[in-house]
Amino acid sequence: GAVVSQHPSRVICKSGTSVKIECRSLDFQATTMFWYRQFPKKSLMLMATSNEGSKATYEQGVEKDKFLINHASLTLSTLTVTSAHPEDSSFYICSSQPSFNEQFFGPGTRLTVL
Amino acid sequence: EDQVTQSPEALRLQEGESSSLNCSYTVSGLRGLFWYRQDPGKGPEFLFTLYSAGEEKEKERLKATLTKKESFLHITAPKPEDSATYLCAVQAVGTGRRALTFGSGTRLQVQP
Repeated sequence: GAVVSQHPSRVICKSGTSVKIECRSLDFQATTMFWYRQFPKKSLMLMATSNEGSKATYEQGVEKDKFLINHASLTLSTLTVTSAHPEDSSFYICSSQPSFNEQFFGPGTRLTVL
Repeated sequence: EDQVTQSPEALRLQEGESSSLNCSYTVSGLRGLFWYRQDPGKGPEFLFTLYSAGEEKEKERLKATLTKKESFLHITAPKPEDSATYLCAVQAVGTGRRALTFGSGTRLQVQP
């Protein structure tokens, strides 16, 4: 199946700093990528839809100034958590859909804010 | 609003003991129902997509079926390596959105 990568896989940062997470589609072009958040033993919650060359679409309750999304190319979307706080600690996962039949997820990024 | 409910929340099986996981859904119009496997600390791994009632798909010990209101993931003669969380998700038609709405998952543990 198609491969989606994320970097870093794990990050620990101090409260108040910003963290950038990259999501890459390795063998297909992705005009749209999705960013999800997952709390321990909970399911995935959609945060935003990343659109190549245009603004991201955020879900209700997700602060767009806090979670900055940039989709500058057909293979890369980035999520920047600005002024991170401990409540932002979570597992962040991106996905993309190369065809109608499948949607593939990255390996996830574990963010811990001290 | 699209909703997905999975049951049971957790399931413990002995190796070789077949069982089924349930995924009930409500969606304005179903484009596809997806099944994923997720291991701890990793992203979901794609298993199947089902599109219409009556459809079935198989992969090794797993078979997924779909009706107008629910989907089942049947696990035949499971092995310990099948232990994982199994996630069900729906994708709706008509809005142009391709994001998925997930259920809370079923944590499966297969004991040797």
